[in-house]
Amino acid sequence: DTGVSQDPRHKITKRGQNVTFRCDPISEHNRLYWYRQTLGQGPEFLTYFQNEAQLEKSRLLSDRFSAERPKGSFSTLEIQRTEQGDSAMYLCASSSAGYNEQFFGPGTRLTVL
Amino acid sequence: AQSVTQLGSHVSVSEGALVLLRCNYSSSVPPYLFWYVQYPNQGLQLLLKYTSAATLVKGINGFEAEFKKSETSFHLTKPSAHMSDAAEYFCAVSEGGAAGNKLTFGGGTRVLVKP
Repeated sequence: DTGVSQDPRHKITKRGQNVTFRCDPISEHNRLYWYRQTLGQGPEFLTYFQNEAQLEKSRLLSDRFSAERPKGSFSTLEIQRTEQGDSAMYLCASSSAGYNEQFFGPGTRLTVL
Repeated sequence: AQSVTQLGSHVSVSEGALVLLRCNYSSSVPPYLFWYVQYPNQGLQLLLKYTSAATLVKGINGFEAEFKKSETSFHLTKPSAHMSDAAEYFCAVSEGGAAGNKLTFGGGTRVLVKP
């Protein structure tokens, strides 16, 4: 399967703990996006990378959130000191520069107790 | 700033009936428009996209959408609903260019198909 993959698929953590999610994009895609989707809502943009450069961050991305994409390949999204409001599905997508279609991974569902 | 409004958070249709999901957008530049489908506990799958070519766009699974600039709309239709169409559908807009193609989604419409 050469689609976008995300790991883990599910994460349950206690409030105050740190969590890290990984996204592996389609190999030839140089753009990578993170979105957050809460129950009953559409996905909301968090941040995006072109190659290894993080070019835009949403105001939703508080100081507790950090994303990286070393070497322009996979990406990680870390949430420090998790809060119950962080409970959501975190979606990763990738695309080629110059093309508008984004391909989404299956998501990581985070539950903060 | 771009935004999307989907009218109706839930739609119920009978199997074989027309499916019509409404989407209105706002954008400061000519937009790129998309419809995605999401099945429970899964990511989003692209149904179709409008990128300034033909205004009537055909997608997968028998869906199509028409871009109407004067109405700022991009409604999704399918002539005959199938049980497998039960899912949540999201309309999205992108302004491309320096914005890096980030997508702004509507709130979604959940489709229930009755036998």
